[in-house]
Amino acid sequence: QQQVKQSPQSLIVQKGGISIINCAYENTAFDYFPWYQQFPGKGPALLIAIRPDVSEKKEGRFTISFNKSAKQFSLHIMDSQPGDSATYFCAAIIQGAQKLVFGQGTRLTINP
Amino acid sequence: NAGVMQNPRHLVRRRGQEARLRCSPMKGHSHVYWYRQLPEEGLKFMVYLQKENIIDESGMPKERFSAEFPKEGPSILRIQQVVRGDSAAYFCASSPGPGELFFGEGSRLTVL
Repeated sequence: QQQVKQSPQSLIVQKGGISIINCAYENTAFDYFPWYQQFPGKGPALLIAIRPDVSEKKEGRFTISFNKSAKQFSLHIMDSQPGDSATYFCAAIIQGAQKLVFGQGTRLTINP
Repeated sequence: NAGVMQNPRHLVRRRGQEARLRCSPMKGHSHVYWYRQLPEEGLKFMVYLQKENIIDESGMPKERFSAEFPKEGPSILRIQQVVRGDSAAYFCASSPGPGELFFGEGSRLTVL
């Protein structure tokens, strides 16, 4: 119930393409869904986040799509660039519970 | 406004020694979290603290691990009698409120 399942484990996309990473959860009490980006040797950095009262949130080339009935959410990276190559983690939290639960991570490689 | 500061960045210990990892949260943040990341794996929650209080330590191993966040000074994650399986990156995060976690660069522990 506390798990967040993320796929794929790794992804290779050509420069300019669309990168799509998917996450699914079971616990309907989760009410905040952030995505983190992590470069090698660095800490995770908050990229974008969404609450379940909206179906989509866009910030620049990054978009979160949220399907509450299916308990799924995804990250879309438009016009993917080599600098986007990193590991991406989805996460979920119950407001007030404080404990952020992370997906397993997706290693994204953008080929030039 | 400095970010979350962790030190040391790299720590090498022999089996049986003690490891102490320090974390100074961002200014104004009173919530501190510790996560562990094993190579090629996601982030696993260890403990959540507020000043002088452990709020949730459900992810902390019962033996050898302890954490504190004193009234003055940084939060400390202490690992006694380290074993090779403790080798990992340990990340500290702080937040001003629920869900918005800001991570440090991590402390990478290697046990010989």
